[in-house]
Amino acid sequence: GAVVSQHPSWVICKSGTSVKIECRSLDFQATTMFWYRQFPKQSLMLMATSNEGSKATYEQGVEKDKFLINHASLTLSTLTVTSAHPEDSSFYICSADSLDRGRDEQYFGPGTRLTVT
Amino acid sequence: AQKITQTQPGMFVQEKEAVTLDCTYDTSDPSYGLFWYKQPSSGEMIFLIYQGSYDQQNATEGRYSLNFQKARKSANLVISASQLGDSAMYFCAMREVGTGNQFYFGTGTSLTVIP
Repeated sequence: GAVVSQHPSWVICKSGTSVKIECRSLDFQATTMFWYRQFPKQSLMLMATSNEGSKATYEQGVEKDKFLINHASLTLSTLTVTSAHPEDSSFYICSADSLDRGRDEQYFGPGTRLTVT
Repeated sequence: AQKITQTQPGMFVQEKEAVTLDCTYDTSDPSYGLFWYKQPSSGEMIFLIYQGSYDQQNATEGRYSLNFQKARKSANLVISASQLGDSAMYFCAMREVGTGNQFYFGTGTSLTVIP
């Protein structure tokens, strides 16, 4: 149980276009979803925290107008990278909290590799 | 101050040997959880093991065990009988009850298992 999917798994887009990444909890309801960014050989950097039906909370230094997060339901959160530039190329990972938080575990999606040309 | 510190950027271990990956943490919250994740080259974060701050015994999950020393604030991961498939990045993480559920990750340790 506790499976989180992400779509797409990889995407290549042209500079200036927008890209939407979906994060779904498949077999549980997620009270909170998290979006991370990871550069090669580096750790995960938390970008924002989103709760269903409310505005996302962004970490310091993350542009909320560039990285739009919508948590439409208890099973779906989306991250839209607007007007993407090559420096936005990265690995984006989402994770989700379960309503049943027996041990505070976050369940991670498989990640989305974004390349902006 | 860093919440999670992993001081070993890279480690090598002979196949079938045991290896210890170090992790120290910093918190004043009495209630917290410690996690280890494996990240192979595919990028997926694979949960390995969990230790709660109030757990009396060290956590074990198959070949993985967590050496929890609360007074020293360390949570080292021990992998026994290493396999070639264990080669990956390993991240130590902590979650504090009092900080809005945020995960704090270490910088990771790259483990290479040598045949």
